[in-house]
Amino acid sequence: GDSVTQMEGPVTLSEEAFLTINCTYTATGYPSLFWYVQYPGEGLQLLLKATKADDKGSNKGFEATYRKETTSFHLEKGSVQVSDSAVYFCALTDGRYSSASKIIFGSGTRLSIRP
Amino acid sequence: GAGVSQSPSNKVTEKGKDVELRCDPISGHTALYWYRQSLGQGLEFLIYFQGNSAPDKSGLPSDRFSAERTGGSVSTLTIQRTQQEDSAVYLCASSLAPWKATDTQYFGPGTRLTVL
Repeated sequence: GDSVTQMEGPVTLSEEAFLTINCTYTATGYPSLFWYVQYPGEGLQLLLKATKADDKGSNKGFEATYRKETTSFHLEKGSVQVSDSAVYFCALTDGRYSSASKIIFGSGTRLSIRP
Repeated sequence: GAGVSQSPSNKVTEKGKDVELRCDPISGHTALYWYRQSLGQGLEFLIYFQGNSAPDKSGLPSDRFSAERTGGSVSTLTIQRTQQEDSAVYLCASSLAPWKATDTQYFGPGTRLTVL
């Protein structure tokens, strides 16, 4: 079945460092890809998404490009801040069907940023 | 309301008791989803509603779990004869246009269930 594999955490970086969190997927259809973020004590929020190959999703300085050839959707940010400390989930939905698609999540990567 | 709301925010129960968890989706969203977040299993899909019907129940872990949705709005997830392995955060999400690849699911804050 469809699945998502993402970088194991925790990841600890200094403020202003460059961030990459790797994510690869397996899907038989044409999935939409997402990054969700869960800040401490808060609910799950959509960070960014891409619905077809070569699309780039971006939000709050984060970017991810849908790479069909490598089945990847790596999350990047050029300069992280302490406020970016959170758990990040890579996810997909399979858009083949006319009915709604459940989200399949990766295991999550905990990111901590040191001042 | 502006977002998905869930109640209660925390629930502590004794093993063997039944519990009901409630979800209020975003107004106008026809699709509603339940997920579970636990330490051992990560984030897992449980069930999906379109209107009042549930075309996908594939994630319900056992027949102790059931859910209903009334009036195309509020949904209740019921767990009967709770077990310790049911302890988790139960998340509800809703979306407007599930037939579109561009559809986005919006999540509630969750209900933390602890079974003693």
